[in-house]
Amino acid sequence: AAGVIQSPRHLIKEKRETATLKCYPIPRHDTVYWYQQGPGQDPQFLISFYEKMQSDKGSIPDRFSAQQFSDYHSELNMSSLELGDSALYFCASSPRLAGVDNEQFFGPGTRLTVL
Amino acid sequence: ELKVEQNPLFLSMQEGKNYTIYCNYSTTSDRLYWYRQDPGKSLESLFVLLSNGAVKQEGRLMASLDTKARLSTLHITAAVHDLSATYFCAVSMDSNYQLIWGAGTKLIIKP
Repeated sequence: AAGVIQSPRHLIKEKRETATLKCYPIPRHDTVYWYQQGPGQDPQFLISFYEKMQSDKGSIPDRFSAQQFSDYHSELNMSSLELGDSALYFCASSPRLAGVDNEQFFGPGTRLTVL
Repeated sequence: ELKVEQNPLFLSMQEGKNYTIYCNYSTTSDRLYWYRQDPGKSLESLFVLLSNGAVKQEGRLMASLDTKARLSTLHITAAVHDLSATYFCAVSMDSNYQLIWGAGTKLIIKP
């Protein structure tokens, strides 16, 4: 079965650089979520999109932005990178249907290292 | 504000033993999820619990939900080494689909 695809899988950047992470949801899933997970931490919700519109916003820094495109893939843009941005970034997708469990399926993650 | 607490945060046990991980949440929730994560890997969905009294089992893992007590449990029966991982519970509500996560329980099962 098709899964969530994330690219790149690993990314190394210098401080103050920019990074773009991409997420391709499972086919027919209309909702995409972004999470950040630091070492030994639980995932922190950043932002989500439903039908190409921002749905919920969590602890996403102002330096970050995201969008969902017409083909439902999503991109997380990160600017002025800081050392503390080093983390695993997960994308998850789900179908958003009333009365359904809205289970979120996670991609393999992008490991971002800021030097 | 919805908060999720897991305990224990760390659990080391011998193969063949039984144990339970607890997940408490602070406000009424519509959905509770259990995920497994191996080090440096993705989050694998284990169970989705939607209603009071829901019980689901997969192999040596069984999850239950008591919405009145705002408590879910993940029970491990006759643990085997392959179950070593970090287990997270997470909660969401109809009004807000984002997942609020517990801190995770790092489970080490010794052969």
